[in-house]
Amino acid sequence: QQQVKQSPQSLIVQKGGISIINCAYENTAFDYFPWYQQFPGKGPALLIAIRPDVSEKKEGRFTISFNKSAKQFSLHIMDSQPGDSVTYFCAASKGNTDKLIFGTGTRLQVFP
Amino acid sequence: GAVVSQHPSRVICKSGTSVKIECRSLDFQATTMFWYRQFPKQSLMLMATSNEGSKATYEQGVEKDKFLINHASLTLSTLTVTSAHPEDSSFYICSAGVSGNIQYFGAGTRLSVL
Repeated sequence: QQQVKQSPQSLIVQKGGISIINCAYENTAFDYFPWYQQFPGKGPALLIAIRPDVSEKKEGRFTISFNKSAKQFSLHIMDSQPGDSVTYFCAASKGNTDKLIFGTGTRLQVFP
Repeated sequence: GAVVSQHPSRVICKSGTSVKIECRSLDFQATTMFWYRQFPKQSLMLMATSNEGSKATYEQGVEKDKFLINHASLTLSTLTVTSAHPEDSSFYICSAGVSGNIQYFGAGTRLSVL
């Protein structure tokens, strides 16, 4: 019930295309779903996050789609750029300042 | 805002020595800090949750006597790897929690034990 399953493990997208990364969870008590971007040798950086009271959140080229009934959420990167070529982690947590449960990560490669 | 400073960024030590890693929230107070470990090309594994002024809560399988955590103030938590061995070599990352489950991460510490 504590797992967050992330797919795909790796993703190759052409420049300008849409990158889509999916996550699924089991615990219906989760109420916070962030996406993190991690550059090599650095800690994760918060990219965008959503709570279950909305189905979509957009910030610039990044959009989270959230499907509460399916217990799934996804990250869409529009107009993907070579600079987006890093690792992305989804996560979930419940309550206030509770621990984050991370997905397994997706290594994105955007080629020119 | 929301900057978390982690120091050192890299440390190389001999087997049997202890290493201390500091994690500071620079522009906010964090009642809860978290310590993670990450192996190459893998996800972050939570080691422990640290609340200011109280004992840390360790995840299953993490040796509390091996990984000592101190959270003496609302802006500082430390992780000490005691009697480090080569198998402790890893990337250690801290995060500071604010209200609403949001966590901000430090840049990580690469520990290499020879």
